Amino acid sequence: EPEVTQTPSHQVTQMGQEVILRCVPISNHLYFYWYRQILGQKVEFLVSFYNNEISEKSEIFDDQFSVERPDGSNFTLKIRSTKLEDSAMYFCASRGQGSSNQPQHFGDGTRLSIL
Amino acid sequence: AQSVTQPDIHITVSEGASLELRCNYSYGATPYLFWYVQSPGQGLQLLLKYFSGDTLVQGIKGFEAEFKRSQSSFNLRKPSVHWSDAAEYFCAVYGQNFVFGPGTRLSVLP
Repeated sequence: EPEVTQTPSHQVTQMGQEVILRCVPISNHLYFYWYRQILGQKVEFLVSFYNNEISEKSEIFDDQFSVERPDGSNFTLKIRSTKLEDSAMYFCASRGQGSSNQPQHFGDGTRLSIL
Repeated sequence: AQSVTQPDIHITVSEGASLELRCNYSYGATPYLFWYVQSPGQGLQLLLKYFSGDTLVQGIKGFEAEFKRSQSSFNLRKPSVHWSDAAEYFCAVYGQNFVFGPGTRLSVLP
């Protein structure tokens, strides 16, 4: 069964540095998402992306965050200047074309640790 | 606005016992409902989903869930728990957007 893959599985970065989290969605999917989960807390929606533009974003997704689909396969989340509170698990998800109630398929996540 | 609550933060059951994890939602119309499972250090895996039709839905790993409109609930059940079921379980609602509940951690005693 096709999977969403994320790299790296764990990234440690110093505060103030830029970080890029990478995701390869399922190949025929067209809708892409990023979520984060701070340790011990619930999964929070960050942003959704379709047709090469952001379709929706949450309050968390401020000017420090950006997303990009640089080629036909990758979907990246960039944090420009990381803060300690950005430490979390970041999950990428994708879903196929069709009705909006199709479930999203999640990657295994990238654990981001900010020192 | 839509919301999801999972009243139980942590549940411990013995292996072989039955399980019910509670989920309540708030949404103006009938939402689409999901249960995901997350093993330690792993990503989210879809267990089952409800869109319409039969209110009792079957999922993977022997799980089922029942949608009760009158109670705004979508509780997850399993008749006999296995040690490998120990994980975090998230209920999610898709109405205007995707909203996750806070999760219930399941521990299984041998």
